[in-house]
Amino acid sequence: NAGVTQTPKFQVLKTGQSMTLQCAQDMNHNSMYWYRQDPGMGLRLIYYSASEGTTDKGEVPNGYNVSRLNKREFSLRLESAAPSQTSVYFCASSAGQRERARIFFGSGTRLTVV
Amino acid sequence: GQQLNQSPQSMFIQEGEDVSMNCTSSSIFNTWLWYKQDPGEGPVLLIALYKAGELTSNGRLTAQFGITRKDSFLNISASIPSDVGIYFCAGREGGGSQGNLIFGKGTKLSVKP
Repeated sequence: NAGVTQTPKFQVLKTGQSMTLQCAQDMNHNSMYWYRQDPGMGLRLIYYSASEGTTDKGEVPNGYNVSRLNKREFSLRLESAAPSQTSVYFCASSAGQRERARIFFGSGTRLTVV
Repeated sequence: GQQLNQSPQSMFIQEGEDVSMNCTSSSIFNTWLWYKQDPGEGPVLLIALYKAGELTSNGRLTAQFGITRKDSFLNISASIPSDVGIYFCAGREGGGSQGNLIFGKGTKLSVKP
């Protein structure tokens, strides 16, 4: 099993460019998430999707949009990239919203905005 | 908003030593999770705790859910070089909303051979 797969692994954008980060999971999980990780800040939730067809804002949603394409796929879009969005982005998934649901992470996308 | 304080921020230890790190929260949590992140990789779940006072082991790792439900501890016994990485705690409030999983800022562990 691949688990949670993210593409691309690395990306450099110019300010104002747009791009979509792709994520797919093969664990038949209902819930999916996008986090960003910055030095000294830990992991911060951008958006999440509790189930197919729903999305909700997390702690830091500004400048991002998401699409839950189907149960497997959850994409993150930057419409107009800014240097403040330079970060490592992690997609994650879990079986559901129960308290015991464990979250599993992909290996990350390293994005630099110049 | 919610705060998780994780300490220490970093540790340099000798191979073979035991390691302890902890997280405290400003409110009561119903779940504590501990993750390890290797360089260039995503966090990997080590231990999950669901009940106050619960003590759970995974090999040389032992984690405890604090009795006050506001803290958790992770211990690593007899550290080895592959223990190097960043360890994160994460806690979830009651109510079941996945949006309420809060992460600590991590403890960076370095091991001298």
